[in-house]
Amino acid sequence: KQEVTQIPAALSVPEGENLVLNCSFTDSAIYNLQWFRQDPGKGLTSLLLIQSSQREQTSGRLNASLDKSSGRSTLYIAASQPGDSATYLCAVHGSSNTGKLIFGQGTTLQVKP
Amino acid sequence: ETGVTQTPRHLVMGMTNKKSLKCEQHLGHNAMYWYKQSAKKPLELMFVYSLEERVENNSVPSRFSPECPNSSHLFLHLHTLQPEDSALYLCASSQDLGGLTKNIQYFGAGTRLSVL
Repeated sequence: KQEVTQIPAALSVPEGENLVLNCSFTDSAIYNLQWFRQDPGKGLTSLLLIQSSQREQTSGRLNASLDKSSGRSTLYIAASQPGDSATYLCAVHGSSNTGKLIFGQGTTLQVKP
Repeated sequence: ETGVTQTPRHLVMGMTNKKSLKCEQHLGHNAMYWYKQSAKKPLELMFVYSLEERVENNSVPSRFSPECPNSSHLFLHLHTLQPEDSALYLCASSQDLGGLTKNIQYFGAGTRLSVL
């Protein structure tokens, strides 16, 4: 059974810092991995999707890496801003073609001005 | 605005009530999903529909009954719920169930449900 773990559960940093969020999964047989952002009381916004054959994806100040063999992904946020404060969720899409995403519990990030 | 709209945004109901959650997507997608997000637990998939057919029922109690009348609308009918069913219920849609970029899921803002 696939399990996804995110560390740390919460993170508080001063504005301008570069930071790394971690995600690990127990079954390396995945289709892809997605990183989402969730603001309080809101739904999820997809940030990056990495296919199982890819090593990383970049969007603006965000860079996500994937090491399938070790069951790990990281989300790197450069030059953090207060507007980056949110909960970041990692989810893996298993090898079955049912659209099922398995989510981690998320990392709640606070960037202080 | 993601193109996925959920109503109502907030709902309070008693354990004997019957209510329905509605989800509508304006993206022309073929797959729709219901998720449950409880405090201190990971987001859990409840149901998946593809082309109006249910393809996944993730061991959800029968007091939750989904309905997908067409590819743009998804409902979650609720009856005789328990207080532990209080949670944020999220709807999502994707182009298809397939791999590559077609299964990026777009989420609605959710319905915050409280069961008294």
